[in-house]
Amino acid sequence: DAGVTQSPTHLIKTRGQQVTLRCSPISGHKSVSWYQQVLGQGPQFIFQYYEKEERGRGNFPDRFSARQFPNYSSELNVNALLLGDSALYLCASSERTGVGEKLFFGSGTQLSVL
Amino acid sequence: SQQGEEDPQALSIQEGENATMNCSYKTSINNLQWYRQNSGRGLVHLILIRSNEREKHSGRLRVTLDTSKKSSSLLITASRAADTASYFCATGAAGNKLTFGGGTRVLVKP
Repeated sequence: DAGVTQSPTHLIKTRGQQVTLRCSPISGHKSVSWYQQVLGQGPQFIFQYYEKEERGRGNFPDRFSARQFPNYSSELNVNALLLGDSALYLCASSERTGVGEKLFFGSGTQLSVL
Repeated sequence: SQQGEEDPQALSIQEGENATMNCSYKTSINNLQWYRQNSGRGLVHLILIRSNEREKHSGRLRVTLDTSKKSSSLLITASRAADTASYFCATGAAGNKLTFGGGTRVLVKP
């Protein structure tokens, strides 16, 4: 069975541009979460979607948005990119939503903002 | 902000030795999880320990939890070169929001 897949794997953008990152969860998983990981730090929670509804939002500006589609895949959009948005963006899926759910992570999208 | 803080930040050991890393957190928790990350890629779930558990084993991994001290430890016994990775503790909140610590980078020398 395929794991969590993310695309693209690498991306280079310039300041002010917009970017869309994509994630396909494991088959049967209805929850998708997004995390940002800056080099040398642990991942930071951005969003969680479950059954196409937003279930959680981290401390990120409104430039960050996301959505989940009927097939449970998800997109993360970041507008007006800043240098500080350079990071590894990780998508994670799980069967359900709830405290203690085991998360399955994709390999991430490495975003570089120049 | 990071909920957990791992200690040490980096660890270098010989193959066959044990590796121990600690995690401290700030608020009351329902459970604590440990994840491994190889070369800055995706994280892999290792083990989950609930707040009413004190110790848990999985293969060569042993996790302890002391809720009175708000701390947890991960022990990897008989380490192998393949254990070289970063290890993160994470605490769970509502939904699937996990709050990760800064991680411990472990280097296992052959």
